[in-house]
Formats: sequence, C-alpha cells, structure tokens
Amino acid sequence: EDQVTQSPEALRLQEGESSSLNCSYTVSGLRGLFWYRQDPGKGPEFLFTLYSAGEEKEKERLKATLTKKESFLHITAPKPEDSATYLCAGEGGGTSYGKLTFGQGTILTVHP
Amino acid sequence: DAGVTQSPTHLIKTRGQHVTLRCSPISGHKSVSWYQQVLGQGPQFIFQYYEKEERGRGNFPDRFSARQFPNYSSELNVNALLLGDSALYLCASSSTGGSNQPQHFGDGTRLSIL
Repeated sequence: EDQVTQSPEALRLQEGESSSLNCSYTVSGLRGLFWYRQDPGKGPEFLFTLYSAGEEKEKERLKATLTKKESFLHITAPKPEDSATYLCAGEGGGTSYGKLTFGQGTILTVHP
Repeated sequence: DAGVTQSPTHLIKTRGQHVTLRCSPISGHKSVSWYQQVLGQGPQFIFQYYEKEERGRGNFPDRFSARQFPNYSSELNVNALLLGDSALYLCASSSTGGSNQPQHFGDGTRLSIL
C-alpha cells in the first residue's frame, strides 16, 4: 500500500528564518510527487510536480527537490504570508494511476 | 477563468440521511476526482472519473457513489450517513487525470453529521 509521511507536523519560524519540510514516500511505480499549499477553509493549491530523482523546481521563496525516497520543500527567507499547511502527495503506477496519496501535512507558521 | 466550483459550501445532516455533493470542473478538464479530508489529516482518495467512466476507487464503503455527466460535472452521493462521515469533501479536476497534468482542487463542501 502506498504511504506518504510528512515531518515535522508543525513548524514555527521567524520571518527570514529559512528551513525545510520533509516528505518520505513509499509509492509503487512513482509517476509524480506533488506539493500543495492549503490555507484554512480552502482547498489545496497546486505548487509543484516532480517526476524523477534529482529534479528540482522553484517558485518565489520555495524550492522542491526529489530523491528516490524523500522530497523536501525548502523555504528561503519566509514571510508571514507563507503561513499555511503544506501537503505532499504521490501518484503511483498501475491501478494507482490518477490517485493521489497524501501525507498528513506540515502546518507552517511564520511570525513577523 | 473559473476554477473548480463545489456546492453547497456547508451542509448539516443527521445520521441515516443521504447527501449529494456537486462539482463543476475547470473548463476543458475531463477528469474529476473526489477526496475526503478529516480535520488534521491529508485528503483521502474516494473516486476518479474520466470521460464519464469510473477510473479508480479508494477504500470507501459502498455507501459512497459518484457519477460524471456529459458536461464533465460530477456528483458524490453518500447514503446512510454516519458520524464519521463528517469531513471536508474536495473535488479536483485535471485535463487527463494523470501525473502529466496536476489536479486542481475546489474549496470543498464541509459536511457535518449530527
């Protein structure tokens, strides 16, 4: 069974204090690793898709990386508006095509 | 362009009742997926439909059913509601439903069971 685990569960940072969020996955035949951002009362907002180990993608203060077992979301010099829950999800192959298996999320709070 | 729209936004039901949730995908998207998100957890896959055919089903009881219409909108039906069905129900759409195109989510229907 596909499994995705995120750590830490919650992270508090000061504005400008860079850090990383971890996503460990066991997904058979990984077709894609996805990162989403979710604000309270809203649906997840798509950030990145990573397809193969060694791949990196960047967007503003966020950079996502992928290895064969983990993905990291690096946040550089965060601002209070980066506060949200960050979700990681994997899509497997075969009968798991199109099915996203999510982790439980990391709640990020950035203090001014 | 309009994103994924879901209705209603909030719903309160009692145990044993049934409920129908609705989803309109982004224009041009042919795949719709449904997820259940319990407070404090990540979304859990329920169904995926592509071109009106069920492509995948998660580990949910037969009380849960769905369908997709010719205009690609979708309904999720839940019968014999239980307290544990209280959750945020999310709909996501994509062009093809596969990893080459990301799934885009609506803001969900918050279902509360009394």
